Amino acid sequence: DTAVSQTPKYLVTQMGNDKSIKCEQNLGHDTMYWYKQDSKKFLKIMFSYNNKELIINETVPNRFSPKSPDKAHLNLHINSLELGDSAVYFCASSHHGTSGANVLTFGAGSRLTVL
Amino acid sequence: KNEVEQSPQNLTAQEGEFITINCSYSVGISALHWLQQHPGGGIVSLFMLSSGKKKHGRLIATINIQEKHSSLHITASHPRDSAVYICAVSWYGGSQGNLIFGKGTKLSVKP
Repeated sequence: DTAVSQTPKYLVTQMGNDKSIKCEQNLGHDTMYWYKQDSKKFLKIMFSYNNKELIINETVPNRFSPKSPDKAHLNLHINSLELGDSAVYFCASSHHGTSGANVLTFGAGSRLTVL
Repeated sequence: KNEVEQSPQNLTAQEGEFITINCSYSVGISALHWLQQHPGGGIVSLFMLSSGKKKHGRLIATINIQEKHSSLHITASHPRDSAVYICAVSWYGGSQGNLIFGKGTKLSVKP
């Protein structure tokens, strides 16, 4: 199936650990994103990444680092996990056109719980 | 104050009712998105629009750029429409995909 897939779907870990969430899309999109949804269900952009450029949102701590081995993958690595990192992380992708923003396709989300 | 405001926050309707969810924004935008988040957590993009009106099935989205306002309408609502509906904007000056999200409208449609 064509989709944006994230793994793992659930992740429970201890404070201070380092963890990664993987994202892959087979839609041929050239831009991928990470969004964070907090406990109040509020979504915020973390990163966007396309063939040419990684855009870092300045409100994201530098413990978070996106890594993109190719345009179909955008992984999120988190160092020294904190309680406040507990959230649902959504990966998404889109195709950049001349009009700029395009329809997004979301992954199913990865629920991270830090104990 | 969030740059994207939605109303109402919660909405309960009877099956068959016509539903309207409103979104107002305070920044210049290149596009506005309507998203649906199911009770299971998955997010689906319903519409992306920068002017006028779009229709898909029982869903209609409109936008008034001058008034910085958009509405999402659901005709003949059904219990399966129960979800959180989220408005988001792509703002001028922001990088692509740098969406600003509203807090969502939780819709419950009763049979």
